[in-house]
Amino acid sequence: AQSVTQPDIHITVSEGASLELRCNYSYGATPYLFWYVQSPGQGLQLLLKYFSGDTLVQGIKGFEAEFKRSQSSFNLRKPSVHWSDAAEYFCAVGAGGFKTIFGAGTRLFVKA
Amino acid sequence: DAGITQSPRHKVTETGTPVTLRCHQTENHRYMYWYRQDPGHGLRLIHYSYGVKDTDKGEVSDGYSVSRSKTEDFLLTLESATSSQTSVYFCAISEGRDGNYGYTFGSGTRLTVV
Repeated sequence: AQSVTQPDIHITVSEGASLELRCNYSYGATPYLFWYVQSPGQGLQLLLKYFSGDTLVQGIKGFEAEFKRSQSSFNLRKPSVHWSDAAEYFCAVGAGGFKTIFGAGTRLFVKA
Repeated sequence: DAGITQSPRHKVTETGTPVTLRCHQTENHRYMYWYRQDPGHGLRLIHYSYGVKDTDKGEVSDGYSVSRSKTEDFLLTLESATSSQTSVYFCAISEGRDGNYGYTFGSGTRLTVV
């Protein structure tokens, strides 16, 4: 069955430290992969997407993600976290047929 | 700014009453979607539209109906609201099918059914 797993419900990182949010997917074909960010009271905003080609993709706000087919992973990274990055992050896979599967989300807390 | 607006932003309604949520876009995108967001569930697709008067069900469509009479408007109706429909509802648009271009989301409608 198609699924997206974000193993960490929440993560706390110190401001200026590096960040990695994990995402694992289960999908039979080559997936379309996305990361979204949601600030409190707002809708989701697309950070980056992977369709094909270079497995390291750059997104907005200094984020990047790496597609690893062998591990069925698409982890999100940022070298230096800012307090404004505190939000909830969702990984998603385009599963075809108007179906996009979202993970349950990882809430990021940033401490000073 | 985003070209997609939802109304109302908040609504409290009583069990058994009909409720209609509106999504309006100015991007002229063909594809529109309604999702609900609940803690621990991520986002789940309720209904989607692939053109004027062309709609179909998503994974959690029971108790919901939709209509799209114009490209820019996509309405979600709860025929008879129940407490299990208390949720945050998001409309989304995309340039291509399957959301493979990625979605643009509205700011959401927080619906409480009492």
